[in-house]
Amino acid sequence: NAGVMQNPRHLVRRRGQEARLRCSPVKGHSHVYWYRQLPEEGLKFMVYLQKENIIDESGMPKERFSAEFPKEGPSILRIQQVVRGDSAAYFCASTTTRVANTGELFFGEGSRLTVL
Amino acid sequence: QKEVEQNSGPLSVPEGAIASLNCTYSDRGSQSFFWYRQYSGKSPELIMSIYSNGDKEDGRFTAQLNKASQYVSLLIRDSQPSDSATYLCAPGDAGGTSYGKLTFGQGTILTVHP
Repeated sequence: NAGVMQNPRHLVRRRGQEARLRCSPVKGHSHVYWYRQLPEEGLKFMVYLQKENIIDESGMPKERFSAEFPKEGPSILRIQQVVRGDSAAYFCASTTTRVANTGELFFGEGSRLTVL
Repeated sequence: QKEVEQNSGPLSVPEGAIASLNCTYSDRGSQSFFWYRQYSGKSPELIMSIYSNGDKEDGRFTAQLNKASQYVSLLIRDSQPSDSATYLCAPGDAGGTSYGKLTFGQGTILTVHP
């Protein structure tokens, strides 16, 4: 997985709580993508970030979801007031500018969110 | 019409056989195509990329692309039990502005039995 680190690997939340998922890209990678994989469904693009910028958030739900990639520190995917339908595996992927056009994404192991 | 459709599975083949995975896509502007493999409970990993019409071979894997038919396939020769996984087809973003913005198909589950 080329060093993309995600944590926590497993997260359990009750409805209405907040979930924060963190992603540290491969060292030197400046492009971060978040994908969501719902049970029995394919991977869906959520958001594309570069340092301090959201480039494309067309896949993000309009409410309760936000993402950031600060100048220092990991990228954060934040889900407020979670509902059962948010239960899924959330994958972070990174790449460098140099290979950005190859579609070769290095995925982390994912964070599996369970909402009770 | 779904953006990316893969042949329904699960697909079961005996060890040593050829596994054929198919994918059609709706966006005629897509110029790049990727096959990812995902083991159960694990993250996807890129196993093949193809950009031009025709065949591309890499070891036991061969990708075939036909842009006119909007069709891409993956052949796995001499299938091994370790090939048992879900295979995801992903055309690249035709707009070219979000390079890593991939539209994945639902995936085809492949089981290779001894």
